[in-house]
Amino acid sequence: GAVVSQHPSWVICKSGTSVKIECRSLDFQATTMFWYRQFPKQSLMLMATSNEGSKATYEQGVEKDKFLINHASLTLSTLTVTSAHPEDSSFYICSASGGPGYTFGSGTRLTVV
Amino acid sequence: SQQGEEDPQALSIQEGENATMNCSYKTSINNLQWYRQNSGRGLVHLILIRSNEREKHSGRLRVTLDTSKKSSSLLITASRAADTASYFCATPGSLYNTDKLIFGTGTRLQVFP
Repeated sequence: GAVVSQHPSWVICKSGTSVKIECRSLDFQATTMFWYRQFPKQSLMLMATSNEGSKATYEQGVEKDKFLINHASLTLSTLTVTSAHPEDSSFYICSASGGPGYTFGSGTRLTVV
Repeated sequence: SQQGEEDPQALSIQEGENATMNCSYKTSINNLQWYRQNSGRGLVHLILIRSNEREKHSGRLRVTLDTSKKSSSLLITASRAADTASYFCATPGSLYNTDKLIFGTGTRLQVFP
């Protein structure tokens, strides 16, 4: 079946540094990638939608200069959290369409200290 | 916010009992999906029901959809400890933007052996 590989699965970084999260579709072409953020015991909140080769579309309230999304190829999308702060600590999940339905990555737990 | 509401927020039952969770959404839809999330992991697609369907079954899962009330329910019969997870309903962003998924608030299910 369709698989999206998300890395890293967890990361701890210092405040002020940047962190890059990768999502790769392994056996299909991800024409669209969605990036979600999830706080503990809460639901997934859509941050942005990216189509291959285009600029990402950000949801209201999401800072595009802070959460940089790149979708340069049909199999790779990245989310970079720039100048991370403790309030950016969260669980980030990608989801790809282009295969059968939506395929989710396994998530990245980001802790900013 | 477009986010749908789910209830209960949390549900604890014994193995063998049935678990019912409800989802209410806000906009007109052409389909509704249910997903499962094990703690700290990505999402797994369970079932999709289209707006012209009222009920759908998949193994021990039964989903209903009432578009007049903008609500759906997920019933898990004969629950098992392995069903312990969070369950989310998800609807398309809009009738015209079916690409992005908007998730409900989720129900945390705990099944005790």
